[in-house]
Amino acid sequence: EPEVTQTPSHQVTQMGQEVILRCVPISNHLYFYWYRQILGQKVEFLVSFYNNEISEKSEIFDDQFSVERPDGSNFTLKIRSTKLEDSAMYFCASSGTSGSGAYEQYFGPGTRLTVT
Amino acid sequence: AQRVTQPEKLLSVFKGAPVELKCNYSYSGSPELFWYVQYSRQRLQLLLRHISRESIKGFTADLNKGETSFHLKKPFAQEEDSAMYYCALSGTNAGKSTFGDGTTLTVKP
Repeated sequence: EPEVTQTPSHQVTQMGQEVILRCVPISNHLYFYWYRQILGQKVEFLVSFYNNEISEKSEIFDDQFSVERPDGSNFTLKIRSTKLEDSAMYFCASSGTSGSGAYEQYFGPGTRLTVT
Repeated sequence: AQRVTQPEKLLSVFKGAPVELKCNYSYSGSPELFWYVQYSRQRLQLLLRHISRESIKGFTADLNKGETSFHLKKPFAQEEDSAMYYCALSGTNAGKSTFGDGTTLTVKP
């Protein structure tokens, strides 16, 4: 069964550094998402992406964040200048159409980002 | 605005006992409701979606629009059901999912 993959599984970076988190969505999916989960807190929506542009973003997704689909397979989340509070698990998800019409999202295993 | 409430952060039952994980939502339109499960050190996995009316691993969930609830139930809990369970709502096709805080279910032997 196809799966969403994410790399790296764990990223440690210093405050102020740029990081790029990578995701390979399921190949025939059209919609892509990033979520994050700060330790001990709920899963929070960051951004959704469709047809090569952002379709929705949350208030968390400020100018420090950007997303890109640089080629036909990868979907990346860039944080330009990391802050301590960016430390979290970042989940990528993708979805496509299903026969029932429900757009269930398939999640990757996550990248744990630690900002020191 | 979309909102999902899971009132129980922790839930502990004995093996073989019935279990119900509560989920209430707030949304002005017609929502899509989902239950996701996250086993220890594994990814979020879709467990159920209301539109399919399936029973997965013995779990069922019924959407009650009058009570705005989507509680997850299983008549006989198993130890392997121990995990974190998230209720999620999607308001539009392919739109964002809003997650509840999650409920950690522990099934004791």
